[in-house]
Amino acid sequence: GQNIDQPTEMTATEGAIVQINCTYQTSGFNGLFWYQQHAGEAPTFLSYNVLDGLEEKGRFSSFLSRSKGYSYLLLKELQMKDSASYLCAAKDSNYQLIWGAGTKLIIKP
Amino acid sequence: GAVVSQHPSWVICKSGTSVKIECRSLDFQATTMFWYRQFPKQSLMLMATSNEGSKATYEQGVEKDKFLINHASLTLSTLTVTSAHPEDSSFYICSALNPVSGREDTGELFFGEGSRLTVL
Repeated sequence: GQNIDQPTEMTATEGAIVQINCTYQTSGFNGLFWYQQHAGEAPTFLSYNVLDGLEEKGRFSSFLSRSKGYSYLLLKELQMKDSASYLCAAKDSNYQLIWGAGTKLIIKP
Repeated sequence: GAVVSQHPSWVICKSGTSVKIECRSLDFQATTMFWYRQFPKQSLMLMATSNEGSKATYEQGVEKDKFLINHASLTLSTLTVTSAHPEDSSFYICSALNPVSGREDTGELFFGEGSRLTVL
């Protein structure tokens, strides 16, 4: 079956760095997405990876290893507003998005 | 950037009534829209894929007669929860695929604000 695994919850300190891991098993692969979702709101797009390597975008970076079925989202210089759920989603061979359950990130002062 | 608007943001209704939720793409034409349901502390669950001018494709386990989807134009899709029951209470989110955006290679989805349904 198809599956996305990511930690349920993580805690980090304001100003620090946190890495949220995601492993996926899909029928075929056509890219991996990271979305941010604040409580009670819809997800917003953060990043997309389809090739191996690191994509950097400001304070956020996303890494992909296709051979390992692994991705991570790296958040630097954490701010209180970064407290949210981070959803990992992989696109399978039919271009369907398979969603992870999300990682709730708690930022402490 | 592309904007998708969803209405209403929240709705409370009595059991047995029907509720309609609208999803509009404000500055692009969306041939494909998606409807999701999200229960507290759970992931997004795709309910159906809505294609303009044709019948929606429902995911396994989603009752098409209960969750009516209409995608009559390139900018509007509606989800009607018929004969709502308390177990239908959830956060419903739509998203639209902008086929001509600068990120078309990623198939980036643009999400509506979500609609929180509470059935009493």
